[in-house]
Parts: sequence; structure tokens; C-alpha cells
Amino acid sequence: AQSVTQLGSHVSVSEGALVLLRCNYSSSVPPYLFWYVQYPNQGLQLLLKYTSAATLVKGINGFEAEFKKSETSFHLTKPSAHMSDAAEYFCAVSAGGGADGLTFGKGTHLIIQP
Amino acid sequence: DTGVSQDPRHKITKRGQNVTFRCDPISEHNRLYWYRQTLGQGPEFLTYFQNEAQLEKSRLLSDRFSAERPKGSFSTLEIQRTEQGDSAMYLCASSSQTNEKLFFGSGTQLSVL
Repeated sequence: AQSVTQLGSHVSVSEGALVLLRCNYSSSVPPYLFWYVQYPNQGLQLLLKYTSAATLVKGINGFEAEFKKSETSFHLTKPSAHMSDAAEYFCAVSAGGGADGLTFGKGTHLIIQP
Repeated sequence: DTGVSQDPRHKITKRGQNVTFRCDPISEHNRLYWYRQTLGQGPEFLTYFQNEAQLEKSRLLSDRFSAERPKGSFSTLEIQRTEQGDSAMYLCASSSQTNEKLFFGSGTQLSVL
């Protein structure tokens, strides 16, 4: 069984500031980890994924995440926030790499202050 | 690549009625997933098809829910005797067998009155 915990249902940062969204996972097998973004009235879009290759994963729109096995974490970061980054962000884990369903966290709403 | 499309975008129904949603995946994708998302929660896995075979069903999928993918292309999700607790966004996603990346549709928002 696998699960994901996202710390903080809402995160507010100033435009240009560092974005840090936290995700901790639990998995009985080596996990595949994902970050998805959901803009209002749109479907979820994949930001990045970890599949046991490099532990630092670079995604779209300047986001990156680092897999830390010792901390069972997969936090999402972006050096400089932009107004267009305001959205809902979901961390997800899969044991089978896609052959079975993804288990999502509850999401973190990112607010960008001008 | 026209993306994953879902129909309808919104559905309002009265408690006890049956509803059916449709999902058209990306044409070359053989894997199709249904998820449910309620307000303030992440998507919850419901079921998964590989081609026309339904390979996995969540415990969330009660007997009132049935999903089909008869020709391995589009899929339908039917909810019989709807209850107010069924109100949610129903999301469909597809992927290819060689890539675990899921592509999501915009969802069908169901409101049961």
C-alpha cells in the first residue's frame, strides 16, 4: 500500500520568492513519484516525475523536486515564483509506475502575492 | 494529439436517477483510468482498463458504479441510483503502455440534488 502526505493545504509566497511545496510518501516498494498541477477549470498536468533515475528531477515551468529516500520526501521547489504559478499542486505515488492507479495527496493551493 | 476529452462537462441530476459519463482517451493510449475528486481532496483512483479489460477496481467503486471500455477506445462510467454523496468531479486519464505519464481530461462535474 502507498500513501502521500502534503504538508500545508495553502501556501502563500510573494512573486519572485522561493516556492517550496512539501510531500512525504509511504510505499512498501520503491516508488514512482509525481507532481501534478491543476489550474482552475482544467485537467491535471504532469509537472515532473521520479522513476528511480536521478534523484533531482527537473520539470516544466522551472519546477524541480528532489527524492530523498532517508526522509521519504519529494518536495517541489521553484527558485522564483511567478503569478502564473498560482494553482493547486498534487503529489502522487505509484508502486507500479503507471500500471496501477496513482495515489494522490490532498493537494496544496499555491497563492502568489504581488 | 487532441488530448483526453470528457462529456458532459457538467451534470445535474436528482437523487435516484442514473447517469452516464463518457471519456475519449488519446487515440494511441491503451490504458484508461477513472478517478473521483471531491472539494479539497486529491483525485481518488476508481478503476483502470488496459485495452478493453478492466484490470483493477477500487473499493470506492460500489455496486452502483460500472465502467466499460467495449472496444478498447472510449470508456463510459455509469452510476445507478445516484446519491448526494456521489457529487464530485469525475476525471478520466489515459497513458501508453510504455510511458507511465498520465494525461487527464478536464473532468465531468456531477451534482446530485
